[in-house]
Amino acid sequence: QKEVEQNSGPLSVPEGAIASLNCTYSDRGSQSFFWYRQYSGKSPELIMFIYSNGDKEDGRFTAQLNKASQYVSLLIRDSQPSDSATYLCAVLRTTDSWGKLQFGAGTQVVVTP
Amino acid sequence: GAVVSQHPSRVICKSGTSVKIECRSLDFQATTMFWYRQFPKQSLMLMATSNEGSKATYEQGVEKDKFLINHASLTLSTLTVTSAHPEDSSFYICSAKRAEGATGELFFGEGSRLTVL
Repeated sequence: QKEVEQNSGPLSVPEGAIASLNCTYSDRGSQSFFWYRQYSGKSPELIMFIYSNGDKEDGRFTAQLNKASQYVSLLIRDSQPSDSATYLCAVLRTTDSWGKLQFGAGTQVVVTP
Repeated sequence: GAVVSQHPSRVICKSGTSVKIECRSLDFQATTMFWYRQFPKQSLMLMATSNEGSKATYEQGVEKDKFLINHASLTLSTLTVTSAHPEDSSFYICSAKRAEGATGELFFGEGSRLTVL
């Protein structure tokens, strides 16, 4: 079982709609969760992070965390063509003192005009 | 956000040569830097953790003698791919952890695409 799992996609979303991305993790003790966006041929850029159960909103992005079910999700509202990218979920395990993240394989999102 | 600069962005070399990639944190001190490798359509694979002033910690399966990492200062880490071979061709990305940043919050360099002929 992979430590961090994501649906590889592609997830096709009409422009203006909501894109919903999911991520599950295996280490129940994980404490911090991150969403990164990666455009083709570029390095990842941080969108947001979440530590506590519930929702966290930042602009058009909302991260949702449910530690009991071991999943974290990302919602992208009013999706734009510029949101087309691969979204990486990353998890920080409690056993790792160096801040070493475990990455999922990423979900490709394609926003169609 | 914090800026991490990586150089060179692209490098092509002959098989058997060595290539050095630099990773610099431009506006903050990075106590820890990480080196990743990413093959096409795959996720980032952590190669090693680099801590200023100490030896790097390598992930299982990564040859420390082939991928030399030096973290000589709080703003610079280097990755040297020694005796590169075509199978080492990949996208190498560094990231830096800001000393005062949120736990796990990393800032990524632009990446270096290595092609070994």
